[in-house]
Amino acid sequence: EAGVTQFPSHSVIEKGQTVTLRCDPISGHDNLYWYRRVMGKEIKFLLHFVKESKQDESGMPNNRFLAERTGGTYSTLKVQPAELEDSGVYFCASSRTGQPQHFGDGTRLSIL
Amino acid sequence: RKEVEQDPGPFNVPEGATVAFNCTYSNSASQSFFWYRQDCRKEPKLLMSVYSSGNEDGRFTAQLNRASQYISLLIRDSKLSDSATYLCVVNSINFNKFYFGSGTKLNVKP
Repeated sequence: EAGVTQFPSHSVIEKGQTVTLRCDPISGHDNLYWYRRVMGKEIKFLLHFVKESKQDESGMPNNRFLAERTGGTYSTLKVQPAELEDSGVYFCASSRTGQPQHFGDGTRLSIL
Repeated sequence: RKEVEQDPGPFNVPEGATVAFNCTYSNSASQSFFWYRQDCRKEPKLLMSVYSSGNEDGRFTAQLNRASQYISLLIRDSKLSDSATYLCVVNSINFNKFYFGSGTKLNVKP
């Protein structure tokens, strides 16, 4: 089965621009998670979808971040406008309920 | 206090050595526990789930101690390819949220 795929793998943008990250979960996985790892820190939870519904978005840093999962399939995470502190690696993971998560390769985001 | 705490290391061990990592968690209601492995600049990959009775997978043994709220990972006969960062992951009630430790770095030397 295909794994979790994320696009793009790298993104370099200037402060103030907009970037949209995409995640395609493993087929049949209702749960989709977004995480972020900034330099030197641990991976931190951003939010959790169950199908198309946001189950928990308590980890979203601020209202510049918007996540969607239309139709309960793929998800997008938009950062608008991007700030320097948003740089890091954004991971997406998916799972069946109660099962371990499978991670995508991550999107390395650099804000200049 | 962090939800999950790990010794960052690095643990530098020779090939063939046995090495053990611990990880403590703060929420006594946590239900599921996992060890993930992360290679440099790669995504985390599931190494093994951790069950109450303890479980073993080849050279890897995981243990859970609910009373003291820690999990452990033991690696026997270390290989060069075991060099990586090992992440302890603990989930909350209802599987909604997963908390990651900062990772323990292992370097296995020839």
